Amino acid sequence: NAGVMQNPRHLVRRRGQEARLRCSPMKGHSHVYWYRQLPEEGLKFMVYLQKENIIDESGMPKERFSAEFPKEGPSILRIQQVVRGDSAAYFCASSPLPPKYSYNEQFFGPGTRLTVL
Amino acid sequence: DQQVKQNSPSLSVQEGRISILNCDYTNSMFDYFLWYKKYPAEGPTFLISISSIKDKNEDGRFTVFLNKSAKHLSLHIVPSQPGDSAVYFCAASARGSQGNLIFGKGTKLSVKP
Repeated sequence: NAGVMQNPRHLVRRRGQEARLRCSPMKGHSHVYWYRQLPEEGLKFMVYLQKENIIDESGMPKERFSAEFPKEGPSILRIQQVVRGDSAAYFCASSPLPPKYSYNEQFFGPGTRLTVL
Repeated sequence: DQQVKQNSPSLSVQEGRISILNCDYTNSMFDYFLWYKKYPAEGPTFLISISSIKDKNEDGRFTVFLNKSAKHLSLHIVPSQPGDSAVYFCAASARGSQGNLIFGKGTKLSVKP
């Protein structure tokens, strides 16, 4: 059973370009969380999605950031018009059950390290 | 404002001794706490958790203690091994939340042979 997959592992963008980060949850998991880790910081929650639904996006910046988890395919975190401050490691996590049934650990992918030049 | 605080950025311990990593929190709505271990260039790996209805949870060499009145938890690793060298993150989840985790900044543990 493969773990959470994220690609690309490293992504370099110039200011103003778009960044697309992909996350494939573990098999059987339909709940996906995105976190961002800035240098020397802990992980910060961004968004929680179920298939075709955004459940909680309270941690997402209001502009330039969007996320989706379509019925088929991976979850995508999209950052438009990137700026240097977007440089960070972006981690995706998945879980098999909704939080109220599984107050449980989330399984993390290896992360995508975004560098904005 | 930081709701989960790990005040020690680093800790160095001799192999075979006990490692104690500390974590403080401010939000009284937190009712579930987790410890994650992270190696460089990898994602966090779940280690151990504790519900707020308990004050101790043990799993092999790892024990987590929760002191609700002090809003403090600690992770004990005994005996420490060189392979335990990693960054350890404390995380918490709030009652009524959607399950998103609030992380501390991490403590880098070095276990010296």
